[in-house]
Amino acid sequence: DTEVTQTPKHLVMGMTNKKSLKCEQHMGHRAMYWYKQKAKKPPELMFVYSYEKLSINESVPSRFSPECPNSSLLNLHLHALQPEDSALYLCASSPGEGAWLAAYNEQFFGPGTRLTVL
Amino acid sequence: GIQVEQSPPDLILQEGANSTLRCNFSDSVNNLQWFHQNPWGQLINLFYIPSGTKQNGRLSATTVATERYSLLYISSSQTTDSGVYFCAVPPPETSGSRLTFGEGTQLTVNP
Repeated sequence: DTEVTQTPKHLVMGMTNKKSLKCEQHMGHRAMYWYKQKAKKPPELMFVYSYEKLSINESVPSRFSPECPNSSLLNLHLHALQPEDSALYLCASSPGEGAWLAAYNEQFFGPGTRLTVL
Repeated sequence: GIQVEQSPPDLILQEGANSTLRCNFSDSVNNLQWFHQNPWGQLINLFYIPSGTKQNGRLSATTVATERYSLLYISSSQTTDSGVYFCAVPPPETSGSRLTFGEGTQLTVNP
């Protein structure tokens, strides 16, 4: 099963709200990713978790807080967002990190959460 | 960082036509992925193709790693092929954590 699930599909929040995006995979993958995609642009990497530890943070503002409770789950906690944070948020997973995986490290994406910040 | 360029940026076809999309990258890579993003935003894996040629139904892809390009062929296009096609590569000499995407090709297939 090559499926990554994300909830919710749509989210509308005010600038003072706190909300969370959730992502789940059951492929036994050990690397999970958050991407942000604005309209008519490619996805941009935000965070990478490898073996449940944060390995890459692409200088993302602290109002975005990732969490990896276990190897199957990835959350993105949102607080005090700005209207310019409105975007499609995509989660992805891949087998893991390490040069030995170079030939096998295909990333699979979830359907995304479309976030609107009012 | 690695640069990824896709062409053409936009492509309009009549149903049944064939097309070729191109992806150029600026450095050697260990893998390359082609995705189709449908109108609902879902990124669908098409090919994972660091080198050589692969085929899946009406779609095929060829990557010539030594010349730093990949081609995606769509034959007998259908309206459901519409959407944005992205190629994506990791930085050289890495396993692929930080995928860099091209700007995409917006494909519209008219009935």
